[in-house]
Amino acid sequence: AQSVAQPEDQVNVAEGNPLTVKCTYSVSGNPYLFWYVQYPNRGLQFLLKYITGDNLVKGSYGFEAEFNKSQTSFHLKKPSALVSDSALYFCAVRDSGAAGNKLTFGGGTRVLVKP
Amino acid sequence: GAVVSQHPSRVICKSGTSVKIECRSLDFQATTMFWYRQFPKQSLMLMATSNEGSKATYEQGVEKDKFLINHASLTLSTLTVTSAHPEDSSFYICSAGQPNTEAFFGQGTRLTVV
Repeated sequence: AQSVAQPEDQVNVAEGNPLTVKCTYSVSGNPYLFWYVQYPNRGLQFLLKYITGDNLVKGSYGFEAEFNKSQTSFHLKKPSALVSDSALYFCAVRDSGAAGNKLTFGGGTRVLVKP
Repeated sequence: GAVVSQHPSRVICKSGTSVKIECRSLDFQATTMFWYRQFPKQSLMLMATSNEGSKATYEQGVEKDKFLINHASLTLSTLTVTSAHPEDSSFYICSAGQPNTEAFFGQGTRLTVV
């Protein structure tokens, strides 16, 4: 069975500082990895994905993530955080052998960017 | 990106009544859609996979008679919470996507049963 772990419930960072949200995964086949962001009482917005190719993936709103196969990690990063980045972030994985877009989510990490 | 629309965004109902939530893919056809439930400050829990033209596949522990799913067309799936009780109050989210792409999510539905 596939699983995703986000070890930090909350990350606090000052505006302008680098932001990192950690994610590790476990799948039986090749992983399809995703990051989503959720604002209060909203659905999830897609940020970026890794399917294959370059390990460094660039996504929306200045976010990027690095796929590390040996460490089974897919950490989300942003060089300079904004107050508006404060939200709930989810890492998700889809096993390449799975049909459709059925995702397994991590527990979520709340990001708080302070002015 | 693809758009998934979910309606209503918020609903309050009396205990014992049923509530229907709609999930539409606006600019693509979706043979499969997914329904999730999210408790406050928690992650998304997959409830069921909605399959166009066939029965939904429910995750372990999810009552299929309680949460009725209908996927009658390639752009619409509905989730009906039957005989709702206060413990069914939650945030329900649907998702859909074309094969081998990212999933797109509806705006979510905040259900409150009083």
